[in-house]
Amino acid sequence: NAGVMQNPRHLVRRRGQEARLRCSPMKGHSHVYWYRQLPEEGLKFMVYLQKENIIDESGMPKERFSAEFPKEGPSILRIQQVVRGDSAAYFCASSPPGGGESYEQYFGPGTRLTVT
Amino acid sequence: GEDVEQSLFLSVREGDSSVINCTYTDSSSTYLYWYKQEPGAGLQLLTYIFSNMDMKQDQRLTVLLNKKDKHLSLRIADTQTGDSAIYFCAEKNGGYNKLIFGAGTRLAVHP
Repeated sequence: NAGVMQNPRHLVRRRGQEARLRCSPMKGHSHVYWYRQLPEEGLKFMVYLQKENIIDESGMPKERFSAEFPKEGPSILRIQQVVRGDSAAYFCASSPPGGGESYEQYFGPGTRLTVT
Repeated sequence: GEDVEQSLFLSVREGDSSVINCTYTDSSSTYLYWYKQEPGAGLQLLTYIFSNMDMKQDQRLTVLLNKKDKHLSLRIADTQTGDSAIYFCAEKNGGYNKLIFGAGTRLAVHP
């Protein structure tokens, strides 16, 4: 059973470009979460999605950031017109329907975004 | 409010026990987790504890929860060099699925 997959692992964008980060949850998992980790800091929640629905986007910046989890295919975190402050590691996590035994979330390896 | 705090660094000798501490503020937390992050990698779930438990043991790992003081600790017995990593404490509060993370404790194990 493959774990959570994210691609690309590293992404370099110039200021003003768009960044698209992809996440495929573990097999059988229908809940996806995105977190951002700034250097030397812990992870900050951004958004929680189920298939075709955004459940909680309380951690998403109001502008330039969007997320989706379509019926088919991976979840996408999209950052438009990137700025240097968007440079961070972006982690995706997934959990099974109903929360599983303890609502545990399984994390992918992350996408490290560098904005030049 | 939601806040999770951890000390930033811990250095131990190989073979000793490590104790990593965490405090949280949300009294409605239902589950508390410990994750391990190695350099350049994602987070690996080590263990968790439900809020109605005081202690949980899993091989070399012991989790202690003092709900009154909102204090959580992770003890690693017989610490090895492979345990060197950043350890994150996280909480899940009652009505939401998001996790609130501490800033992480960097554990350095030396011979």
